Amino acid sequence: GQQVMQIPQYQHVQEGEDFTTYCNSSTTLSNIQWYKQRPGGHPVFLIQLVKSGEVKKQKRLTFQFGEAKKNSSLHITATQTTDVGTYFCAESNYAGGTSYGKLTFGQGTILTVHP
Amino acid sequence: DVKVTQSSRYLVKRTGEKVFLECVQDMDHENMFWYRQDPGLGLRLIYFSYDVKMKEKGDIPEGYSVSREKKERFSLILESASTNQTSMYLCASSNRVNEQFFGPGTRLTVL
Repeated sequence: GQQVMQIPQYQHVQEGEDFTTYCNSSTTLSNIQWYKQRPGGHPVFLIQLVKSGEVKKQKRLTFQFGEAKKNSSLHITATQTTDVGTYFCAESNYAGGTSYGKLTFGQGTILTVHP
Repeated sequence: DVKVTQSSRYLVKRTGEKVFLECVQDMDHENMFWYRQDPGLGLRLIYFSYDVKMKEKGDIPEGYSVSREKKERFSLILESASTNQTSMYLCASSNRVNEQFFGPGTRLTVL
């Protein structure tokens, strides 16, 4: 089935540095959702990207969807200790009516922020 | 405040036992999902349901079954638990292609 590859697996940064995680697919993605999971917590939805070349911002977070809809990225500017956690991308599968809403997750990027 | 609840946060079972994990959502969502999460592997879909009494296999259904008798409740069943089913189990719900809402998770240990 559809595979979404996410890199890097781990990222350690000093507080104030920037951070980026990437999602790549060999096939065209229908849309991309991004989730954040705090340590000990559960994934929480951040955003959904649908259009080719789409860019959305949430405060210090910038989300991009590639022009060919085969990749996406999440960039955090000036990381803070509250940004610690695992960031997942996920593709929503439009394979058929009964598959609406099914997600295929990337492996996640674990972000550590050193104060 | 929308909510997905799971019956247990932590569970310890013995090999061969039958295990039931319950999930309830209060958002009247059509879709419900069961994932397992293991380090380095992300979230892997076990089963999902898009309506009452309907179910579809996900990517790793072997060793699991599910039940959805009511719209708000989705149960995951391990017919005969094995040590390789030790994992974090996450339930989620959604409406069609919208965001998924996750429960707090059940950390299952099979001895």
